[in-house]
Amino acid sequence: NAGVMQNPRHLVRRRGQEARLRCSPMKGHSHVYWYRQLPEEGLKFMVYLQKENIIDESGMPKERFSAEFPKEGPSILRIQQVVRGDSAAYFCASSPGTGDEKLFFGSGTQLSVL
Amino acid sequence: LAKTTQPISMDSYEGQEVNITCSHNNIATNDYITWYQQFPSQGPRFIIQGYKTKVTNEVASLFIPADRKSSTLSLPRVSLSDTAVYYCLVGDGAGGYNKLIFGAGTRLAVHP
Repeated sequence: NAGVMQNPRHLVRRRGQEARLRCSPMKGHSHVYWYRQLPEEGLKFMVYLQKENIIDESGMPKERFSAEFPKEGPSILRIQQVVRGDSAAYFCASSPGTGDEKLFFGSGTQLSVL
Repeated sequence: LAKTTQPISMDSYEGQEVNITCSHNNIATNDYITWYQQFPSQGPRFIIQGYKTKVTNEVASLFIPADRKSSTLSLPRVSLSDTAVYYCLVGDGAGGYNKLIFGAGTRLAVHP
C-alpha cells in the first residue's frame, strides 16, 4: 500500500514562472491537506480539500496560489508568478476522512526560486 | 485549536529514556493529543495519539494527566536514529477534518 506520493521531489523555477506541485493521497483517502515549511520552522497549514471541493483555504495566500483536488487524478498546488519568498518545502498529507485524526504525510516538494 | 508549548531542543545519549513534555493549557474537551516526528527533508510521521491517561505503542508512550493540560512523550532507550524534531499537536477534528497547527517542535539530538 503506497503512501502519499508527491512529485516532483525538487523543483527549480525562475522568478515569474509557474510551479505545479502534485500529490497523490494514500489509497482510500479522500481528504488532502497542503502545508508549507520554511527552514528551521514548523509546518504552516495552507489548504484542506476533499474531492472536487476546497473546504478550508484559510492558510493560502490570497494571490498567486491555488489548489485543486479533481475527481480523477492527484491534488495540485499551483503557484503562479513565483517569487523568491515562495522557496520552501511543500508537504501534502492525506486522511481517510472517517473521523480518524491521523494525517499521513508525503516526502514533500522542495521548491527553489532563482 | 489549542496552542501548545514545548522545549525548543533537548539532548540525550544512546540508550537513555527521553521524555518531552508539552503544555496545552487551553485544551478543549473534544481535543486529542497527537505527536509527530520529522526527519530532515521528510514529511512528519505519526508517532502516537491519546485522549487521557496513558497510551503505549511499539514506538513510544504518551502520558496525559487527569487535567489534560499537558502531556509527555516518552521514548525508551533512544538511538542515534531518533534524532529528529518532535511536534505536539492538539485538535478535535471539528467538521470531520483535522487542521493540524504545528508549532516549532522540539529538536532532539541523540549523542553516541
